Amino acid sequence: GQNIDQPTEMTATEGAIVQINCTYQTSGFNGLFWYQQHAGEAPTFLSYNVLDGLEEKGRFSSFLSRSKGYSYLLLKELQMKDSASYLCAVRDRDDYKLSFGAGTTVTVRA
Amino acid sequence: GAVVSQHPSWVICKSGTSVKIECRSLDFQATTMFWYRQFPKQSLMLMATSNEGSKATYEQGVEKDKFLINHASLTLSTLTVTSAHPEDSSFYICSARDLEVMNTEAFFGQGTRLTVV
Repeated sequence: GQNIDQPTEMTATEGAIVQINCTYQTSGFNGLFWYQQHAGEAPTFLSYNVLDGLEEKGRFSSFLSRSKGYSYLLLKELQMKDSASYLCAVRDRDDYKLSFGAGTTVTVRA
Repeated sequence: GAVVSQHPSWVICKSGTSVKIECRSLDFQATTMFWYRQFPKQSLMLMATSNEGSKATYEQGVEKDKFLINHASLTLSTLTVTSAHPEDSSFYICSARDLEVMNTEAFFGQGTRLTVV
């Protein structure tokens, strides 16, 4: 099974940077995903890490350390529209199931 | 990117009735689709894994006789909530994997908001 932890809430100012940490314990690992979810909507894919290191995609970057069971999502140049819930999800090696963390609600203030 | 269409996007039904939710992969084939449920301010909880041509695999604590899953083709899976009760009111989301692109993300449908009155 998977045990995934991430902070419940974070608040930041428009234009700033926010880092959302995610730690996990898993019996079988086949990738870590970050999704963004606005209230009442389905999650949208942000990033995928399967090897250690940093993946950069525009204003969003994601980092993975498999030995530490740790990932973070970095949001730069925050915009008001980035206010949402950010979900960390780990995929199982054997059955490809995704297990989600509880989500981090990010509030961007002017 | 791949598109997964879920229908309906919202439904209100009376207690005791059944509701069917469809999940279609529009531009790719998916042998496996996943059904999730999300209660307000909570994360997605996997309910079951739907496999084309075989029985679904349910997560612990999910009643298979209440949540009927049929995966009749490589592009369609359905979830039927039978004898719905107010506590079944939730946001139901499906996801599907592209057969030809194994090592990538699952794509999510738009979700279905079910309200049982």
